[in-house]
Amino acid sequence: NAGVTQTPKFRILKIGQSMTLQCTQDMNHNYMYWYRQDPGMGLKLIYYSVGAGITDKGEVPNGYNVSRSTTEDFPLRLELAAPSQTSVYFCASSYSQGGRDYGYTFGSGTRLTVV
Amino acid sequence: GENVEQHPSTLSVQEGDSAVIKCTYSDSASNYFPWYKQELGKGPQLIIDIRSNVGEKKDQRIAVTLNKTAKHFSLHITETQPEDSAVYFCAATYTGFQKLVFGTGTRLLVSP
Repeated sequence: NAGVTQTPKFRILKIGQSMTLQCTQDMNHNYMYWYRQDPGMGLKLIYYSVGAGITDKGEVPNGYNVSRSTTEDFPLRLELAAPSQTSVYFCASSYSQGGRDYGYTFGSGTRLTVV
Repeated sequence: GENVEQHPSTLSVQEGDSAVIKCTYSDSASNYFPWYKQELGKGPQLIIDIRSNVGEKKDQRIAVTLNKTAKHFSLHITETQPEDSAVYFCAATYTGFQKLVFGTGTRLLVSP
């Protein structure tokens, strides 16, 4: 199992450009998440999904969009990139069983710089 | 909503010493508390977790304790080694919430 795979690892965007950060998991986890991590800060939740076709906003959703057409994939779309979106982005997944949550697994991250 | 505070923000110890990182959570419904280790340039890796029906859990040199009444949980690392140097994050969530809320992280430096 590859776990959670994120691409690209690094990207430089110009202000106003758009891009999609890709995230794929092969663990059949039903829950998926996007977090951003700013220097010296913890991880802030952008969007999450409890299953294919279902997404919801997290703590810092402005400027981002997501979709979940399959269990495996959870891409994050940035429209009209702004310097405030310079950050490291992490995708994660988890599952529930017997009323308990398990397996929060993170990808290796995408370092995005907006100039 | 849930809020998690983590202290200290930086911690320097000598190899062989113990290290303790403390977190406080606000939502009494929280029942799952994982700890993550993040090495430079990598994603967070789960190192240990505890659920609210347990007061302490150990795994070799690391342990986590939970005080539900005070809403505190702590990470204990004994016999620290240079490879323990990393940023450590605590987190909290509860069944049905599905979203981890993270502390701001502790940078641990273990000097040889």
